[in-house]
Amino acid sequence: TQLLEQSPQFLSIQEGENLTVYCNSSSVFSSLQWYRQEPGEGPVLLVTVVTGGEVKKLKRLTFQFGDARKDSSLHITAAQPGDTGLYLCAGEETSGSRLTFGEGTQLTVNP
Amino acid sequence: DAGVIQSPRHEVTEMGQEVTLRCKPISGHNSLFWYRQTMMRGLELLIYFNNNVPIDDSGMPEDRFSAKMPNASFSTLKIQPSEPRDSAVYFCASIRDLSNTEAFFGQGTRLTVV
Repeated sequence: TQLLEQSPQFLSIQEGENLTVYCNSSSVFSSLQWYRQEPGEGPVLLVTVVTGGEVKKLKRLTFQFGDARKDSSLHITAAQPGDTGLYLCAGEETSGSRLTFGEGTQLTVNP
Repeated sequence: DAGVIQSPRHEVTEMGQEVTLRCKPISGHNSLFWYRQTMMRGLELLIYFNNNVPIDDSGMPEDRFSAKMPNASFSTLKIQPSEPRDSAVYFCASIRDLSNTEAFFGQGTRLTVV
């Protein structure tokens, strides 16, 4: 199984601040997905990146896949309390269709 | 579509009892995954099925755990006998097919074994 490390594990910021979450591995992934999970719910897919160097934007969220397809980042601009949640990255292993999840980044945006 | 449906949402049981968790995937999705989520270990893949056939069960912790998918619209995860260390949130997720791994998760079953 290929491993994914996320950092930071916990992040508490004020409304309006910017932040970046990182997802790193020593292995190459076919694609990488980002999910957000709220308390009492299952993870919900935000985006999938497939091509090395790819950048995708979803309103105030910017996702980037590393050139070597081993790492990814999620940048949030002007964070809002509604962005609070657990952010999970998940890599599709090159050997099959398994998704390997990172341990998650718990983001709290304070009003 | 109602999404992935899991039942029960919460289960409290005594150590040694049998526990059965249920999942109905999204109609038309060919693959189903069972995950376990804990604070210590995050989301762990237990087993997944493709076209109702178990493909990879290497994540099943031990023989006390078993999973079945008798048809395309139903799967169960059974723990017998349950132990306190099995306490976790168990998620079921489905994907359309193995060429597109974007997963749709159910709301999970929070299991507490006392």
